[in-house]
Amino acid sequence: DAKTTQPTSMDCAEGRAANLPCNHSTISGNEYVYWYRQIHSQGPQYIIHGLKNNETNEMASLIITEDRKSSTLILPHATLRDTAVYYCIVRVATGAGGTSYGKLTFGQGTILTVHP
Amino acid sequence: KAGVTQTPRYLIKTRGQQVTLSCSPISGHRSVSWYQQTPGQGLQFLFEYFSETQRNKGNFPGRFSGRQFSNSRSEMNVSTLELGDSALYLCASSFGETGGYTFGSGTRLTVV
Repeated sequence: DAKTTQPTSMDCAEGRAANLPCNHSTISGNEYVYWYRQIHSQGPQYIIHGLKNNETNEMASLIITEDRKSSTLILPHATLRDTAVYYCIVRVATGAGGTSYGKLTFGQGTILTVHP
Repeated sequence: KAGVTQTPRYLIKTRGQQVTLSCSPISGHRSVSWYQQTPGQGLQFLFEYFSETQRNKGNFPGRFSGRQFSNSRSEMNVSTLELGDSALYLCASSFGETGGYTFGSGTRLTVV
């Protein structure tokens, strides 16, 4: 799986958009970009994933550059509850019968702190 | 829909003992993965089971083992516990053929 590079930490004001960058310059054509976050002492929470098109769900938007070498996770209106460690992961999604399998390789992630 | 359930939530064991942790995936999820999280090493992949077969294995010693049952429930076992095995052990089940993983709340193991 391709490696990712994320800033160690970022700050954001409550109510503003939080834009978390991720570099994955060695990504392969069949590798997806996944974002997870982990709030202290809880299990990681899936946020969003994509292959090459931009994606949006109720939690966030994922913008992937045309060359797929980097991406940005956007939390449109950050709240204090969004304070967490955010992980960007790249992996090949291997699936069968409606299920995928394949390990997730977590880096150190970005510590996002949302301030009042 | 119930989430991924891990039992027990907390566990204290003595060096040299063995421990078994349990994970019940979300109904219909067939792939179950295990991860270890420590302050020093972060989140590390242990192994993954799909249809009762181990599909992937991380770089952990043979003291760490697991299995998956026909109902997709999974157990992991750690034998001859060491102090360094103290960690949060997380289980995750996957959804969709390219989908993400839903994690449980974890089992906090303390070895004394």
